[in-house]
Amino acid sequence: QVQLQQSGPGLVKPSQTLSLTCAISGDSVSRNGAAWHWIRQSPSRGLEWLGRTYYRSKWYNEYGVSVKSRVRINPDTSKNQFSLQLSSVTPEDTAVYYCSRALGGSGLGDWGQGTLVTVSS
Amino acid sequence: QSALTQPASVSGSPGQSITISCTGTSSDVGGYNFVSWYQQHPGKTPKLLIYDVSYRPSGVSNRFSGSKSGNTASLTVSGVQAEDEADYYCSSYASSGTWVFGGGTNLAVL
Repeated sequence: QVQLQQSGPGLVKPSQTLSLTCAISGDSVSRNGAAWHWIRQSPSRGLEWLGRTYYRSKWYNEYGVSVKSRVRINPDTSKNQFSLQLSSVTPEDTAVYYCSRALGGSGLGDWGQGTLVTVSS
Repeated sequence: QSALTQPASVSGSPGQSITISCTGTSSDVGGYNFVSWYQQHPGKTPKLLIYDVSYRPSGVSNRFSGSKSGNTASLTVSGVQAEDEADYYCSSYASSGTWVFGGGTNLAVL
C-alpha cells in the first residue's frame, strides 16, 4: 500500500518560491506505469491540476496551463520522492496542495495528506 | 484550458438515484476515455470513485457508476445514503498532456 507524505513550509512570502516535497513509501517514483501529480485546492479556484512527472524509459513532465511558466516538478530517485516548485507566488496561490499517484489510467487513487500553503508577507 | 462544468449542487432523498453531469469539450471529455470522479468530505482528501469513464477501483461501492456521451460525462449514485453527502468532482485528460477538473458539485441528502 503506497503512502505519500508531504512536507514543506506553510507560509511563503509574495514573489518567493513555494517548495513542497512528497515522499513515497510502498512504491517507486521511477516505476513504469505510475505517474506522480501535484494538485491544489482553494475556495476560489476549486481543484486545479498543476502537473505531473513520470518515467517511461526516460523522464517526462507535463504542467498545467495556468502555472506552466512558474512551475517545476522534479523526481528524486535517490530519496524516492518528488517535489513541486512554484515561483513568483502571489496571494492567489494560497491553497491546500496535494501530491497524488495515478496508476495506468486516469484515476488519482492515492493522495498525500495535503499542505495548506498561505502566501502572505 | 477551462474547467469542466458541473452543477453547483444536487439533492436527493435516501434511496433515490441522482446523476451529476460534467460537461467539457471535444478536447477533453469528448476526446478521451480518461474521465475520473472523486468524492470529498469536508476536511478530507479526495477519494477516487471512478476512473477511465466507468471503472470502479477496488473497494468502491457499486452504487457509484460512470458513463459518457459526447462531451458530457455523468456520475450516478444509486440508492443515495446519508454518508454520500459530500462534494463530487470530475476530471479529464485534455490535449497536450494536461488534466482538468470540474468545479465540483455538492450532494445534499434530504
